[in-house]
Amino acid sequence: QLVLTQSPSASASLGASVKLTCTLSSGHSSYAIAWHQQQPEKGPRFLMKLNTDGSHTKGDGIPDRFSGSSSGTERYLTISSLQSEDEADYYCQAWGIGIRVFGGGTKLTVL
Amino acid sequence: EVQLVESGGGLVQPGGSLRLSCAASGFTFSSYEMNWVRQAPGKGLEWVSYISGSGSTIYYADSVKGRFTISRDNARNSLSLQMNSLRAEDTAVYYCARVGAAPVGYWGQGTLVTVSS
Repeated sequence: QLVLTQSPSASASLGASVKLTCTLSSGHSSYAIAWHQQQPEKGPRFLMKLNTDGSHTKGDGIPDRFSGSSSGTERYLTISSLQSEDEADYYCQAWGIGIRVFGGGTKLTVL
Repeated sequence: EVQLVESGGGLVQPGGSLRLSCAASGFTFSSYEMNWVRQAPGKGLEWVSYISGSGSTIYYADSVKGRFTISRDNARNSLSLQMNSLRAEDTAVYYCARVGAAPVGYWGQGTLVTVSS
C-alpha cells in the first residue's frame, strides 16, 4: 500500500535553510513524487516533481531557493534563504496504478 | 498561461447531489491526466478521483467510490465531478488539479461544497 509520511511541523529562522522529508512506504523506493505548497488561506501551488535520482522539474515561477533530493524511500524539499512567505503547509504527493496519494503535510513556521 | 477554473460548489442537504465543473485553458487538455482533490476545513489534502487524458482510465478514492463520478469533455476542455448521496464529511473545498505524472503541475482556485441541513 502506497503511503507517504511527513512530520506534522517544522521550524527554522528567517534567512536560514530547512529540509523537509517525505517518506515513501516500504517497497515504493522507485516512485517519483511532487511537492506542493499551501500558504495560509490560499489554494495549493505546485512546487516541483522530484524523481528518484534527485532530478526535478519546478513549477512556474518557483525560485531557485527551492530544491529537491532523493535517497531510498526518502524525498526531500530544501528551502534556502527562508523568507516570511515560505511559512506554509507543504504536501508531498505520489501516484501509482489505481491511486494517487498525499502525505499528511508539514506545517513550516519561519521564526 | 495555464488556467483551471472550478465552479458548481454550494450548500446542499445530506443525501443530495451536486455537479462540479472545471474549465481548463492554456494547454492541450486531452494530453493530461486530471484529478479532483479536496480539503476539509482545517485538514490536509485528500485525493478524490483521477481520469486519464483520453478518459479511458478512472480511479476513485474509497471514500467516494460508488457515489462520485468523474468525467471529461476534451472537445470543450472541461472536467466534471458528479457527486451523489452527499454526506456531511464531504464538506470541503474541491480543487481541480493537473498533478501527477506530468513534469509540471497546476491547481485551480477551488470551489466550496458544504453539506448540511
